[in-house]
Amino acid sequence: NAGVTQTPKFRVLKTGQSMTLLCAQDMNHEYMYWYRQDPGMGLRLIHYSVGEGTTAKGEVPDGYNVSRLKKQNFLLGLESAAPSQTSVYFCASSYSTSKGGFGTEAFFGQGTRLTVV
Amino acid sequence: GENVEQHPSTLSVQEGDSAVIKCTYSDSASNYFPWYKQELGKRPQLIIDIRSNVGEKKDQRIAVTLNKTAKHFSLHITETQPEDSAVYFCAVPRYGNNRLAFGKGNQVVVIP
Repeated sequence: NAGVTQTPKFRVLKTGQSMTLLCAQDMNHEYMYWYRQDPGMGLRLIHYSVGEGTTAKGEVPDGYNVSRLKKQNFLLGLESAAPSQTSVYFCASSYSTSKGGFGTEAFFGQGTRLTVV
Repeated sequence: GENVEQHPSTLSVQEGDSAVIKCTYSDSASNYFPWYKQELGKRPQLIIDIRSNVGEKKDQRIAVTLNKTAKHFSLHITETQPEDSAVYFCAVPRYGNNRLAFGKGNQVVVIP
């Protein structure tokens, strides 16, 4: 049981290049999320998905696209990388709300450190 | 959206003392309140959580208390140890939706 796995762990891009970050989970979670973490800013939600074939915007979606073609995978794409997208990216997954509508634990991947030069 | 604030941003404590971190939120419909710990270079991991129908929850040296009226919840760490040094994040989901809004984090430094 690997949990949540992100690929790659590190990447350096030149401005204008594109790339895709892959997130895979083996816990059969319905929800998946992409966050970015910058110093002093906490974790900010980029996009999320509540099920296979669905995606939705979070707090900071501009410059990113996502896809969830399979329940276990959630891809984050940068079409034209900018230095402002230098960050640590975390994928996370969770079950949907529990009985009674309570939230549930989010499980995080190990993170991807992206530098755009 | 949900507004989540954490105070203080940095807390230094002597080993063996207690640490308390407070998190305030804006949505009175929120009903689930987790705390995550992130060690340097690692991923955030859940350490304790509480539901809105409970006022306090303990797990060994850590506890979480909830004040729904004032809309804040706090993380309490007793008998602090060097391995408690980390950044702690509180988070609040929207009701009926597990989309978490995180605070900016509290840096806790335990001085040996």
